[in-house]
Amino acid sequence: DQQVKQNSPSLSVQEGRISILNCDYTNSMFDYFLWYKKYPAEGPTFLISISSIKDKNEDGRFTVFLNKSAKHLSLHIVPSQPGDSAVYFCAASVAGNQFYFGTGTSLTVIP
Amino acid sequence: EAQVTQNPRYLITVTGKKLTVTCSQNMNHEYMSWYRQDPGLGLRQIYYSMNVEVTDKGDVPEGYKVSRKEKRNFPLILESPSPNQTSLYFCASSLRGGISVYGYTFGSGTRLTVV
Repeated sequence: DQQVKQNSPSLSVQEGRISILNCDYTNSMFDYFLWYKKYPAEGPTFLISISSIKDKNEDGRFTVFLNKSAKHLSLHIVPSQPGDSAVYFCAASVAGNQFYFGTGTSLTVIP
Repeated sequence: EAQVTQNPRYLITVTGKKLTVTCSQNMNHEYMSWYRQDPGLGLRQIYYSMNVEVTDKGDVPEGYKVSRKEKRNFPLILESPSPNQTSLYFCASSLRGGISVYGYTFGSGTRLTVV
């Protein structure tokens, strides 16, 4: 049973606009969450993380929001750039050792 | 250059023939982990290691073995590969395990086909 779900397999956004990628989880014990970006034929690249003591974390154009009551996190990319086109995975963990990944959302940023 | 190196990149083997996929990192990272990626299932963790001689099962450890005799190396061993282990495998490392601000570095992947 998938403990971390990304229900949108794909998303298209115009360059310069905001991209919002969503992730839901079922295990209320998860306390550490990460987002990765993956280009074809490459390994995933770590983007940003958030622990459950926070509800927001920013790093440049990337912001992750965590809503613990809804068991939902989202990644906002502002402004979106064509180079952001990739597959994005969210991952969740209890205490940051064993990780559970979503199935990914393919983002296309249209120039 | 700081990196995680996996070998081989591509491997075709036959059912039951033991194989090892190597993973090496040059960043003095304590934490290392193996994942497999399958269509529709995303990435699933196989094993992880918090430090030398410390390994733990991930979500899908069946059919795999690992060892961590040195900090830099974390090989993945398939004693008797089966076709359902055909997958794309990734090794990853981080300075520390646990909840931390440190990022995770992934290797480029190993495409394994078991016939």
